[in-house]
Amino acid sequence: QVQLQESGPGLVKPSETLSLTCSVSDFSIASYYWSWLRQPPGKGLQYIGRVYASGTTFYNPSLQSRVTMSLDASGGLLSLRLSAVTAADTAVYFCARSRPAYFFDYWGQGVLVSVAS
Amino acid sequence: QSALTQPPSASGSPGQSVTISCTGTSGDVGGYEYVSWYQQHPDKAPKLIIYEVTKRPSGVPDRFSGSKSGNTASLTVSGLQDEDEGDYYCSSHGGAKNLVVFGGGTKLTVL
Repeated sequence: QVQLQESGPGLVKPSETLSLTCSVSDFSIASYYWSWLRQPPGKGLQYIGRVYASGTTFYNPSLQSRVTMSLDASGGLLSLRLSAVTAADTAVYFCARSRPAYFFDYWGQGVLVSVAS
Repeated sequence: QSALTQPPSASGSPGQSVTISCTGTSGDVGGYEYVSWYQQHPDKAPKLIIYEVTKRPSGVPDRFSGSKSGNTASLTVSGLQDEDEGDYYCSSHGGAKNLVVFGGGTKLTVL
């Protein structure tokens, strides 16, 4: 059974860097893309990007200049860094397993990150 | 503003059928067979219910079905049950290489 669990600080100051990790329990972790998505309170979903075990990444062009993702396949750890955050980055952040047909079949429970001073 | 357009709300009585639309462009919904649908209950993660326009993951009831015509995809929920109440989001590949775009979500109410 695939399981994902996000963790990280719930509060980040404006202009600082948001850092989250996602613990992945999947013996085939190296065979899939792993993604981050987010959902501002009361709003819809936004795709942030994805990473493969080889280090190959894709970032949403709207966030590309501020996003870094990595995957430690041996350790089962997915990471997200989002720099220069503003209040608009306040959201529930989800990690998810990506499939080649651009859908997400397993999701973490999500972690709320608020950006405020 | 979301890339894909969904009605903000939909409703139906138990046992009835309801259809939720998801309208995009030839650059996303209309251009690929990569439409998926997610169900989300309050304070929960989204759950995949339809992928590749019409396919259902194991464990998803066959009351849920998907279709597409041109630039509009649709999710039909037949035989509505109380537990179907929640938010539904469509998504599609499109807009840029490897990009996934979402609809703004539809709140389904079971009357």
